[in-house]
Amino acid sequence: KAGVTQTPRYLIKTRGQQVTLSCSPISGHRSVSWYQQTPGQGLQFLFEYFSETQRNKGNFPGRFSGRQFSNSRSEMNVSTLELGDSALYLCASSPGTAHSNQPQHFGDGTRLSIL
Amino acid sequence: KNEVEQSPQNLTAQEGEFITINCSYSVGISALHWLQQHPGGGIVSLFMLSSGKKKHGRLIATINIQEKHSSLHITASHPRDSAVYICAVGGNQFYFGTGTSLTVIP
Repeated sequence: KAGVTQTPRYLIKTRGQQVTLSCSPISGHRSVSWYQQTPGQGLQFLFEYFSETQRNKGNFPGRFSGRQFSNSRSEMNVSTLELGDSALYLCASSPGTAHSNQPQHFGDGTRLSIL
Repeated sequence: KNEVEQSPQNLTAQEGEFITINCSYSVGISALHWLQQHPGGGIVSLFMLSSGKKKHGRLIATINIQEKHSSLHITASHPRDSAVYICAVGGNQFYFGTGTSLTVIP
């Protein structure tokens, strides 16, 4: 069974640009969660999508948005990029929602660098 | 205010030693997760606990719901156990500890 696939693996952007990251969950998984990891803040929850609906959202500005398609693939978009958005962005999938007590399966992440 | 506190932050052990990593949390949760992250970023979910104790190979995880505390134990540590171990608690969203960086020396 294929794991969680994130594309691209690496990305370099400049301030003010926007970026879209993609996450393909494990087949059959309906929940996709997104996380940001930085050296200073560690791992932080961005949002969770389940059956094309955003179920939960962390404390990030509106520049961070996402969506989920009918095949459960998810995209995350960050607009008006800032230097502080440089981070490893991870997605994780699970069969049910985050509070359905099911383990999450993580992708390898997209490393975003803002110049 | 950190919803999840982990200790220690860094840990160096000799191969074969018994290792304990602690996690305390302050929010209501439906489950607690122990994650392992190797250099390069990939994260693996080791355990998901809502009560009691789980064992997988040389790894043991325990949770005390009343005390809001969990421990991850590694018996007979090995250099390949060197990684960052992260405690995460889940309810409506996930809160993460800052991680414990473990180095096991041969």
